[in-house]
Amino acid sequence: DAKTTQPTSMDCAEGRAANLPCNHSTISGNEYVYWYRQIHSQGPQYIIHGLKNNETNEMASLIITEDRKSSTLILPHATLRDTAVYYCIVRVSYLNEKLTFGTGTRLTIIP
Amino acid sequence: GAVVSQHPSWVICKSGTSVKIECRSLDFQATTMFWYRQFPKQSLMLMATSNEGSKATYEQGVEKDKFLINHASLTLSTLTVTSAHPEDSSFYICSARDRSGGVDTQYFGPGTRLTVL
Repeated sequence: DAKTTQPTSMDCAEGRAANLPCNHSTISGNEYVYWYRQIHSQGPQYIIHGLKNNETNEMASLIITEDRKSSTLILPHATLRDTAVYYCIVRVSYLNEKLTFGTGTRLTIIP
Repeated sequence: GAVVSQHPSWVICKSGTSVKIECRSLDFQATTMFWYRQFPKQSLMLMATSNEGSKATYEQGVEKDKFLINHASLTLSTLTVTSAHPEDSSFYICSARDRSGGVDTQYFGPGTRLTVL
């Protein structure tokens, strides 16, 4: 599995857009980028995933660079409830590939 | 998104006893489920992959005789911690793989906090 690198922690003001970067320079052509978040003492929550095109859903937007070596998760209007650890994971989608969690980014939304 | 439940949400047991944790996919069928363990201030560590109707595949270092996994139906997987000891105290989280409708995503349960006295 390609490895990912994320900042350890970030702060964002409430109401602002939170932009969480992820580097995955060794990603393979058939590997997808997945984002999950874990709020304290809960199971991880799926946010979004993509292969090469930018993706958007009701929770967030995912921007993947053209060379696919990095991506950014965007929470358009951060709220206090978005405070969590955010994990960027790459995996091959069509195999029984496990999700390997790194240390993620601890995002704190500041009132 | 799809919903995965776990039961119980927390359990306290005496050392030497066995504890069973259930993981259910509520609105989709999951041929593959996964069991993770998370210690305080650490990331999730995969313990095993569970495929419906077959034996689970355990990660290196995970004792298969201690952590019994059964995946008897497309919506239910169970993890039994046998002869639990205090060092088994942890947050156990399951996930289920949803491959319906062209999507391939894992959804996680809320977790089970196990405390062994």
